[in-house]
Amino acid sequence: GENVEQHPSTLSVQEGDSAVIKCTYSDSASNYFPWYKQELGKGPQLIIDIRSNVGEKKDQRIAVTLNKTAKHFSLHITETQPEDSAVYFCAASKTDKLIFGTGTRLQVFP
Amino acid sequence: DTAVSQTPKYLVTQMGNDKSIKCEQNLGHDTMYWYKQDSKKFLKIMFSYNNKELIINETVPNRFSPKSPDKAHLNLHINSLELGDSAVYFCASSQEMDNQPQHFGDGTRLSIL
Repeated sequence: GENVEQHPSTLSVQEGDSAVIKCTYSDSASNYFPWYKQELGKGPQLIIDIRSNVGEKKDQRIAVTLNKTAKHFSLHITETQPEDSAVYFCAASKTDKLIFGTGTRLQVFP
Repeated sequence: DTAVSQTPKYLVTQMGNDKSIKCEQNLGHDTMYWYKQDSKKFLKIMFSYNNKELIINETVPNRFSPKSPDKAHLNLHINSLELGDSAVYFCASSQEMDNQPQHFGDGTRLSIL
């Protein structure tokens, strides 16, 4: 079955810096890769997703890149703000089952 | 106007008891899910339903029984609660089954004493 690895597990950055979170997946048939942000006491919230027919997608300060050959995908957050502090999850899917990474706790210091 | 709502938010109970968690979505989605998030924040799917039909049953003990009375509701009943059932349980929904954005509720924190 699919396995998703996520790194780093924690990430601390200064406000205004960029943050990058990386994931690898094992099943080459996976074709949908969403990213979720989970704030304390809340459910995961979708922030961006990418499908396997696209190499990069951007939404304001957030971008995701996908390398199908290497089975890697990454989340890039530019100009980080304190409100970006949360746990971020990547996930991979080929049908109806999302397999989540282990999460990255991002702390943005003012 | 909450999209996916779960009740209760917190559930504290004794080992051996039976409890239920309710979930409702007002997004008009066809597919609903239950996830379990353990103390290390690991999120794992338990069940999915599409148009009231069970699609995924991810090797969950049969003490866990989901029920979908209609497309907008997916409840989770747990019998004979064990210490290892302590976790946060999330309900989610998506427009269709395959590779669709999933919308999560805010979770039910279950604590077994």
